[in-house]
Amino acid sequence: KQEVTQIPAALSVPEGENLVLNCSFTDSAIYNLQWFRQDPGKGLTSLLLIQSSQREQTSGRLNASLDKSSGRSTLYIAASQPGDSATYLCAVMFNNAGNMLTFGGGTRLMVKP
Amino acid sequence: NAGVTQTPKFRVLKTGQSMTLLCAQDMNHEYMYWYRQDPGMGLRLIHYSVGEGTTAKGEVPDGYNVSRLKKQNFLLGLESAAPSQTSVYFCASSYSLVSGTSGGAYNEQFFGPGTRLTVL
Repeated sequence: KQEVTQIPAALSVPEGENLVLNCSFTDSAIYNLQWFRQDPGKGLTSLLLIQSSQREQTSGRLNASLDKSSGRSTLYIAASQPGDSATYLCAVMFNNAGNMLTFGGGTRLMVKP
Repeated sequence: NAGVTQTPKFRVLKTGQSMTLLCAQDMNHEYMYWYRQDPGMGLRLIHYSVGEGTTAKGEVPDGYNVSRLKKQNFLLGLESAAPSQTSVYFCASSYSLVSGTSGGAYNEQFFGPGTRLTVL
């Protein structure tokens, strides 16, 4: 079974720190990988999508990288702020799974003022 | 643009009751999806649709039915609700699976705000 894993499950950092969230997946044959943010009791907000042919994508203070051969992606958040506190979800579209996204369990981030 | 909207936001049902969740999108997306989110299980795909009049099963389809009579709407039905269907339901939509210039695909999924369903 194809799986997506996110470690750590929870992370607490002081404001201003740069941080990295990790995502690993079991099969390198993917169409794309998407990072989402979810605030408590809310829906998912798409942050970045990386196609399988790309190595990284950037949006503001966020940078996502993709290494298909090792089955890993990282989400780098620069100069973290309390407003970044949320759960971050990684989702992979595997080639043989049609249009289905397989989600990781998420990393719950708290940025302390 | 409202994006993806879901109706209702909250609902409480008794076991055996039926209900329909409505998802609407105004982005002219071909693909639409229904997911459920449960603690410890993450998000799992229930059903999806690649176009008007078409539907397909996802990872956890049992106990649910769907219909896509109009491109902008995707309905999720529970015919006889069970406590195991207590969950938060999310609808999403995207463009079709379009290949990138050198492999990969760009079909970013956009999610609605969710429906919190409790079955007693």
